[in-house]
Formats: sequence, structure tokens, C-alpha cells
Amino acid sequence: EDQVTQSPEALRLQEGESSSLNCSYTVSGLRGLFWYRQDPGKGPEFLFTLYSAGEEKEKERLKATLTKKESFLHITAPKPEDSATYLCAVHQAWDSSYKLIFGSGTRLLVRP
Amino acid sequence: NAGVTQTPKFRVLKTGQSMTLLCAQDMNHEYMYWYRQDPGMGLRLIHYSVGEGTTAKGEVPDGYNVSRLKKQNFLLGLESAAPSQTSVYFCASWGLLNTEAFFGQGTRLTVV
Repeated sequence: EDQVTQSPEALRLQEGESSSLNCSYTVSGLRGLFWYRQDPGKGPEFLFTLYSAGEEKEKERLKATLTKKESFLHITAPKPEDSATYLCAVHQAWDSSYKLIFGSGTRLLVRP
Repeated sequence: NAGVTQTPKFRVLKTGQSMTLLCAQDMNHEYMYWYRQDPGMGLRLIHYSVGEGTTAKGEVPDGYNVSRLKKQNFLLGLESAAPSQTSVYFCASWGLLNTEAFFGQGTRLTVV
């Protein structure tokens, strides 16, 4: 069964305390892995797309990496404005279906 | 640039009533998706479409129907609303040449 699992469910950090969020997946025909940020009451906002194992992408304090089984979102020296829910999604293309499947997210709170 | 527009933004229904949620995109995207988001559950795929006139079931399709008569519009219908369908509904669209899916701002539906 196709599955996307994110951990931890919630994470509290002090400002400047670096950490990582995990997204593990078991899907057939992976075409891409996505990270989104979601603020309360809003739709998901795109952060990164990763296509192959070993790929890395960076944006400000965020860095996303991908292996064959999981992806990590590293947050370096976070600030309170980084507080949000971070969602991982996989694009599956198998048997002519093109599903975009999300994990349950990690709620990040960065305290000043 | 309108992007992905969902209407309505808020709605309260009585049990047994019917309604249709509209998702409109102006980017000529092939793929469109309907998700529901409940607390702690992430985004769960209801139905999706890979092109005009085609639809497919996602993870939680029961109680919902969809139609994609025009490429730019994806409609989600509730024939007989139930309290369990109280949720926030998100629509997304994705083009073959894009590296991300674009989301609407969501529809908050309450069934009493």
C-alpha cells in the first residue's frame, strides 16, 4: 500500500536551534517528492521538489534532501516566522494514475 | 494572476442537504485534485482528474462525486451531506510542465 509518513507530528524549537523533519515513503512509480509549508487558515505553499536520490535543494534556512526511502527537511537556525505545518507529498505515476499523496505533516513551533 | 480559485470560502449545511464546490484554474493545467483536511490528518485525496472529461477515485471518495466538463473547472459534489464531511476542502492543479502543484485557499464546510 502506498504510504507517506512524517515525523515527528509536532516539534518545538528555540530560536536558533537547528533540527530536521523526516518524510518516509513507500510508493510505486515515484516521480517526485514535494515539500510544502502551510500557515493556519491558508492553502499549502510550495517549497521544494526533489526527483532523485542524492538530490538536495536549499532556500534560506531550509534544506531538503532525498534518499530512496525518505526525505529530510533540515532547518538551520530557525526563526519564529518559520513556525508552520510542513507537509511532504509524493507524486505517483503508476498504472496510468497520477496521484499526489500527502503525509499528515509536522507542526513546527519556534519560540523566541 | 488568479491561479486556483475555490468558491465558496465558507459554508454551513444541514445534514442531508446537497452542495457543489467549484475549483477554477486559469493556468491550463491538466491535473486537478480535491483534498480534505481534518485536524491531525494532513491532506487526504478525495478525487482527482488527469484531464477534461476524466476523473478517478482517491483515498476517501465515499459520499462525494466530481465532474470535469471543462479543463479549467473541477467540481466536487456532496449529494447528502453528513456531519462527518465537516472539514476544510482544498483544490489543487498541476501542469505537465510544472514542478509543483498550486493550491486554492480552501473551503471551510460545516455540516450540522
